[in-house]
Amino acid sequence: SQQGEEDPQALSIQEGENATMNCSYKTSINNLQWYRQNSGRGLVHLILIRSNEREKHSGRLRVTLDTSKKSSSLLITASRAADTASYFCATAKTGANNLFFGTGTRLTVIP
Amino acid sequence: DVKVTQSSRYLVKRTGEKVFLECVQDMDHENMFWYRQDPGLGLRLIYFSYDVKMKEKGDIPEGYSVSREKKERFSLILESASTNQTSMYLCASSLSGFGHYEQYFGPGTRLTVT
Repeated sequence: SQQGEEDPQALSIQEGENATMNCSYKTSINNLQWYRQNSGRGLVHLILIRSNEREKHSGRLRVTLDTSKKSSSLLITASRAADTASYFCATAKTGANNLFFGTGTRLTVIP
Repeated sequence: DVKVTQSSRYLVKRTGEKVFLECVQDMDHENMFWYRQDPGLGLRLIYFSYDVKMKEKGDIPEGYSVSREKKERFSLILESASTNQTSMYLCASSLSGFGHYEQYFGPGTRLTVT
């Protein structure tokens, strides 16, 4: 059963623009994580935000978490062609030992 | 750096064959996971293991089994491959704890069953 759902499913922007992706989930969580997947490869962890945190930054990445709305957003600032990838949110449900992944947002950054 | 390796990047098998997918991690992680990834469906958990010889079913365990005889190695077994098991298979590992930690993924095995 999938926990996170990303929106939009696909996003195309020009290099230098900002990209925002959203994730909604259904039940209470311990933390929420964002991953990136380059075409045909494994996933790479980007950032983890705990349920008692509201915002977190890592380089050009900014993640917010609103537990009252059960939603999160990932902002990539000053995008580059190398940011072209699929981005997944994954939720760690309270008491569960594994993560639940969404279906991902496909980001294309046009040079 | 954590490294998770998978035995094959591409694999082609015939219907009815027994298929073994191997995954090895080098960071002494307690948890290991097997997912399959299909277009439009995202990642779905097949099985995970939280210790040697321990396993738990994920969301879609039917048609699969797993083996974890050593801490660093987690194998996924398709007892009798079928065409609907054509997919990308991803292995991951993490420290123990209830979803508290990031998962490290291997490069994936793209399996085609004909």
